Amino acid sequence: DQQVKQNSPSLSVQEGRISILNCDYTNSMFDYFLWYKKYPAEGPTFLISISSIKDKNEDGRFTVFLNKSAKHLSLHIVPSQPGDSAVYFCAAWEGGTYKYIFGTGTRLKVLA
Amino acid sequence: GAGVSQSPRYKVAKRGQDVALRCDPISGHVSLFWYQQALGQGPEFLTYFQNEAQLDKSGLPSDRFFAERPEGSVSTLKIQRTQQEDSAVYLCASSFQGDQETQYFGPGTRLLVL
Repeated sequence: DQQVKQNSPSLSVQEGRISILNCDYTNSMFDYFLWYKKYPAEGPTFLISISSIKDKNEDGRFTVFLNKSAKHLSLHIVPSQPGDSAVYFCAAWEGGTYKYIFGTGTRLKVLA
Repeated sequence: GAGVSQSPRYKVAKRGQDVALRCDPISGHVSLFWYQQALGQGPEFLTYFQNEAQLDKSGLPSDRFFAERPEGSVSTLKIQRTQQEDSAVYLCASSFQGDQETQYFGPGTRLLVL
């Protein structure tokens, strides 16, 4: 039972355009969400987070949107750069627990 | 500053062999997490320590898996009698407190069981 789903295993985007990565979840108790970026042979690195009391959080080229009614969040990268090519994971935290539940990841390729 | 380090980076084990994977968290981080990442999947939670106390081990797949953090800093994940299905990347992460905080990941140990 996958509580956090990233239904697109891969995405290709032209440099300078917008990249939109999507994540759906099923557990309404999740109250905090993060996006991680992972390069090959490295551990995931934190990118951006959002609390369930917000619907948007922005940090430079990265914006995360949360739609609680749809149990959906998305990561927007504008403009996309070749260095953004990596695997992106969304992760959800359930209040009162000690763990993040991760999605299966989306491999983003930004074409120069 | 130094991040989370893990050793070894790669480990090849014969089926039935015991292995020990080490994690050095960021200095001063109270919380430490172990995850297992199978090929093509996201990290899956194994266990959580707050200082030396193991507060959640619900993700450990079997009693062959054991983790410890005796002095509240370095942690070791031990897998006894390894099986082929144990082949995965084992990730360690630490955070300052452990609540809904950003977790900082190490590079992982890639375990291959033959």
